[in-house]
Amino acid sequence: AQSVSQHNHHVILSEAASLELGCNYSYGGTVNLFWYVQYPGQHLQLLLKYFSGDPLVKGIKGFEAEFIKSKFSFNLRKPSVQWSDTAEYFCAGQRSGNTPLVFGKGTRLSVIA
Amino acid sequence: EAQVTQNPRYLITVTGKKLTVTCSQNMNHEYMSWYRQDPGLGLRQIYYSMNVEVTDKGDVPEGYKVSRKEKRNFPLILESPSPNQTSLYFCASSLRPSSYNEQFFGPGTRLTVL
Repeated sequence: AQSVSQHNHHVILSEAASLELGCNYSYGGTVNLFWYVQYPGQHLQLLLKYFSGDPLVKGIKGFEAEFIKSKFSFNLRKPSVQWSDTAEYFCAGQRSGNTPLVFGKGTRLSVIA
Repeated sequence: EAQVTQNPRYLITVTGKKLTVTCSQNMNHEYMSWYRQDPGLGLRQIYYSMNVEVTDKGDVPEGYKVSRKEKRNFPLILESPSPNQTSLYFCASSLRPSSYNEQFFGPGTRLTVL
């Protein structure tokens, strides 16, 4: 079965620290990958997406992710986090075509002053 | 404003009392979907719809029904709610079923079944 795994359940960082959240997928073949963010009490919003081309994808709010096909990974990074980045982050994957989007279990990020 | 709306936003009910959570989008999207979000489990898809009158089961469809009579609406029906359906529910839509289209999420409905 297709799956998306996020390794970290809860990450706590100080402001200005660098962030890397892990995401692995189990699909073979062509896959589209997404990172969504859910701020406290809000709905999910798209941070960035990868379909093809440059494996380093830049999203909103200074986030980026790198698609490494050989490792089946799509880790999310940010060089310097802010308190306002406190949220839950979801990685999601989807085979090309009309297939359902599969979410990872999410990683809660807490940024402390 | 382009958006996905859900109603109600909060609902407390009792076991066995039928309820419907509405979802509506004003973006003329073909694809709509329902998810439930539970701590430690992330988002799991309940049902999805590729277009009007076309619906299909997701990963956790048991205990739920949906309908897609119009393009803009995709209600989620719990015929006989049970406490294990206490959860946070999100409706989402995208322009096409294709994976190339971003999904837009509604604000969520927090359901408690006593």
